[in-house]
Amino acid sequence: AQSVAQPEDQVNVAEGNPLTVKCTYSVSGNPYLFWYVQYPNRGLQFLLKYITGDNLVKGSYGFEAEFNKSQTSFHLKKPSALVSDSALYFCAVRDMPGNQFYFGTGTSLTVIP
Amino acid sequence: GAGVSQSPSNKVTEKGKDVELRCDPISGHTALYWYRQSLGQGLEFLIYFQGNSAPDKSGLPSDRFSAERTGGSVSTLTIQRTQQEDSAVYLCASSITAGGETQYFGPGTRLLVL
Repeated sequence: AQSVAQPEDQVNVAEGNPLTVKCTYSVSGNPYLFWYVQYPNRGLQFLLKYITGDNLVKGSYGFEAEFNKSQTSFHLKKPSALVSDSALYFCAVRDMPGNQFYFGTGTSLTVIP
Repeated sequence: GAGVSQSPSNKVTEKGKDVELRCDPISGHTALYWYRQSLGQGLEFLIYFQGNSAPDKSGLPSDRFSAERTGGSVSTLTIQRTQQEDSAVYLCASSITAGGETQYFGPGTRLLVL
């Protein structure tokens, strides 16, 4: 069955430190992988996606993610966290050639000043 | 240009009543998705429209849920005989086409069934 797992409900990191938000997936075909961010009282915003090509994908606000096929992971990273990065982060996968997107349960990131 | 808009932003209803939630996608986007976000849960796929093709309804949780998309643009999600477990945030998203395209989300409709 297709699924996405975000093993950490909550991640805390000090401002200026590197951050990682984990995501693993399970699909039957070739995955299209996405990260979205949800700020309080706002809709989800696209951060980045992996479709094909280079395994390291760079996205908005200095975020990047690495597609690792052998580990079926797509972890979100940023070299230096900002307080303004505090938000809810969702990983999503589309199992091609299907139409559905499968979202994880979200990881709440808190960056401590 | 304008993003995805949803109305109402909040809806409080009594158990057993019907509700209609509206989504206005970005102009020119052919794909439209509805999701449900419950507290502590991820986004649950409900239904997907692509152009004039028959919608993918595989995510609708019961026959009380239905959706339509008129003229390939505005979509309405209808929940009949609402139950308390229907309380959630209902999100709409659109993308230029199906496939790996980025989805643009609306702000959601927060539904509370008393």
